[in-house]
Amino acid sequence: DQQVKQNSPSLSVQEGRISILNCDYTNSMFDYFLWYKKYPAEGPTFLISISSIKDKNEDGRFTVFLNKSAKHLSLHIVPSQPGDSAVYFCAASATGGSEKLVFGKGTKLTVNP
Amino acid sequence: DVKVTQSSRYLVKRTGEKVFLECVQDMDHENMFWYRQDPGLGLRLIYFSYDVKMKEKGDIPEGYSVSREKKERFSLILESASTNQTSMYLCASSSAGQGPPNSPLHFGNGTRLTVT
Repeated sequence: DQQVKQNSPSLSVQEGRISILNCDYTNSMFDYFLWYKKYPAEGPTFLISISSIKDKNEDGRFTVFLNKSAKHLSLHIVPSQPGDSAVYFCAASATGGSEKLVFGKGTKLTVNP
Repeated sequence: DVKVTQSSRYLVKRTGEKVFLECVQDMDHENMFWYRQDPGLGLRLIYFSYDVKMKEKGDIPEGYSVSREKKERFSLILESASTNQTSMYLCASSSAGQGPPNSPLHFGNGTRLTVT
């Protein structure tokens, strides 16, 4: 069963607009969430994270929102830039667990100039 | 800056061959992981290791084994390669004991393996 779900395989936005990438999870033991970005032919790179004790975390143009009751998180990119075009993976972990991350299937973001 | 190096970017092997994928990290990380990435399936964990000579099965260990003889090196072994193991393989490392808040996974650039 899929514990971390990214239901949109792709998303296309115009440069300068907001990109919103969504992620849902089913395991209530997850208490830490991360977003990774992946360019073709490169490994994923860490982008931003959020602990379950928070509902929002900002880092420059990137903001992650967490809604624990809905088991939903989202990544907002404002303003979107063509260089943001990549595959974005949502990941979750349970502290006190095995320290492994469970990843979603990814959303391919395309930012059009 | 953490560097995770995978020895090959591209590999082409024949069905039935024994395949070794090598990964080295230079940050003295305790944890190391092997994932495979397939279109529409995301990143799936094959095996991971918390320490030298220790290994744990991930979500899809069938057909794979691993070796961790030294802290900095984690090898993925395909005992008898099959076409359904054609994939992008990603190695990652992290510090132990601190968990993701302080030590997110650091990935290598991947090895694209084709089994014909």
